Amino acid sequence: SQQGEEDPQALSIQEGENATMNCSYKTSINNLQWYRQNSGRGLVHLILIRSNEREKHSGRLRVTLDTSKKSSSLLITASRAADTASYFCATSGGGGADGLTFGKGTHLIIQP
Amino acid sequence: ETGVTQSPTHLIKTRGQQVTLRCSSQSGHNTVSWYQQALGQGPQFIFQYYREEENGRGNFPPRFSGLQFPNYSSELNVNALELDDSALYLCASSLRAPGGETQYFGPGTRLLVL
Repeated sequence: SQQGEEDPQALSIQEGENATMNCSYKTSINNLQWYRQNSGRGLVHLILIRSNEREKHSGRLRVTLDTSKKSSSLLITASRAADTASYFCATSGGGGADGLTFGKGTHLIIQP
Repeated sequence: ETGVTQSPTHLIKTRGQQVTLRCSSQSGHNTVSWYQQALGQGPQFIFQYYREEENGRGNFPPRFSGLQFPNYSSELNVNALELDDSALYLCASSLRAPGGETQYFGPGTRLLVL
């Protein structure tokens, strides 16, 4: 079963605009991660935010985490055509390495 | 590139057959996890191996089994294949240590069961 739900399921924007994706989850977590997947290939890790953090930045990415609402958002600024992909949030409940629980993903299309 | 490799890239089997998928972890990683991703869905956790022992399992039946070898490479075996087993199978390696929560994924094996 899926732990999280990404919203929206699909998003189409113009190149240069900002893209925001949201993720909600159900149980308490240790950390939340965002991954990108291009055309059914392997997942690429983007960013990890721990349960005691509220915001994190990495290049054009900004992630927020609200544990009281069990939600996270991923903002991609100044989008590029190469950002076209599916984006997944994944939660981890235990310490160390354990299985991740993924949402269904947001399919992002950047139109040139 | 994550340094995680999987073989084969594609595979076609018929219902009832058995399949073995292989994964080579990133150097220095001691943990491997396997995921099943159906079309249009997010990956679902199958199981995880740490130091050659199963260390966590998702909601998958016993006909899904695995191995981890001393060099941290891994296999996923699926017996009595069903049509619904058609999916992309992903392995991910990680390091069981503080700060080692990030999992690094291979490119996947796409399995089609006819």
